[in-house]
This record gives sequence, C-alpha cells and structure tokens, in this order.
Amino acid sequence: QQQVKQSPQSLIVQKGGIPIINCAYENTAFDYFPWYQQFPGKGPALLIAIRPDVSEKKEGRFTISFNKSAKQFSLHIMDSQPGDSATYFCAASMWGDYKLSFGAGTTVTVRA
Amino acid sequence: DTAVSQTPKYLVTQMGNDKSIKCEQNLGHDTMYWYKQDSKKFLKIMFSYNNKELIINETVPNRFSPKSPDKAHLNLHINSLELGDSAVYFCASSPPEGRETGELFFGEGSRLTVL
Repeated sequence: QQQVKQSPQSLIVQKGGIPIINCAYENTAFDYFPWYQQFPGKGPALLIAIRPDVSEKKEGRFTISFNKSAKQFSLHIMDSQPGDSATYFCAASMWGDYKLSFGAGTTVTVRA
Repeated sequence: DTAVSQTPKYLVTQMGNDKSIKCEQNLGHDTMYWYKQDSKKFLKIMFSYNNKELIINETVPNRFSPKSPDKAHLNLHINSLELGDSAVYFCASSPPEGRETGELFFGEGSRLTVL
C-alpha cells in the first residue's frame, strides 16, 4: 500500500510556467518530507526537503508548501526551464526508520 | 570520483539465468540500499543494510539475495530470472542523519532486461 500519494502522473508546461506537484500522506509519524529529481538514465537526486513544522521552504526556483493539518505538501517550480524536465518524486520518512516511502512520481515536461 | 557506482549499467539475459549487480560507495556511509524501479517509474525498496547487517527485507522473493562484504559494498544476486524481474535496480547509500532526513545518494542504476 502506497503511503504517499502523488499527483498528477505527468505535466506539460511552457517555459516560464509553474508546474505544481501535489502529495498527500496518512501516517502522522512521518516527520521529514524530501523531494527527489530524476533525469532520464540517472538515479534520483535529493532536490529539497521540509519538516512538518515549516509551512514553506524555497531553494532557488523550487518551493515546497506544507499543510500539516491537511497532511498535504506540494512542489512548485517557479519560472520553469526546459532543463527542469524530469521526473519528480515526493517522499516521506520518520525518525529512526531506514525506509523512505516514495510517491509514484510526476513526469514534468517544460516546452521551450 | 563517482559517489555510488553500480555495474553493470545494462544487463540483458534469458529467463532462468542467474545474474549479479555490484554496488560500491565511496562516501563513507554506513547504510546501503537496493531499490527497484518498474516500468511506471515506481520506486520500491528491496533491501537495506547497516554496517553489513540486513535491516530491511521487503517481501522480496528468495531468488534475490543481497550480500554486503563490507560497509562500502552491497551486491545483489538474482537466481532463476523471470520476465517480471525486468526493471532498473538502484543502489543507494545514506549517512547516519539520513535515517531522520530520508537523504539518499543513488547510483545511476542497472537496467535488467529478461527475455
């Protein structure tokens, strides 16, 4: 059973647009929410992460919004570029656990 | 220079064969993992080792056997390969704080195709 639900499955935007990826979870024991970026033929790489006591975090053009009461979080890519075209995974982990629960992934295509 | 390296990158084999994938990390991490990514890109953990000790075994068929000769290496051996084993297998490692943060360092993957 997937513990982190991610949507949409795929997304196409024009250059400069703002793709938004949404994730939801049920397990309130999760206390860290990383996002991974995967380019074709490569392994996933950590992009940005957030703790549930923070409502928003920005790193460059990537912003995570977190709604603890709704148990939802999202990734926004501001001023998206063709080089941002990749598959994005949200994930969740809990303290002391070796296991990271991944969402199903969202393939983002940014058209020039 | 590469942090987490896997070999081979591509593997094409017949059903029923046995194959191995090797993984090495030079990051000094204590924990290593095998993940399977299916054709729909879903990432599923298979195994995790911490200091050479198996700590996660996620209902993986017995045909899959991981081995960790030391902290820097984690190999995956697969017996009697089946069509459904076709996937990309990722090795990953994490530092001690990765248990809290979920920060993993992935290799580039090994694409296994079973014919």
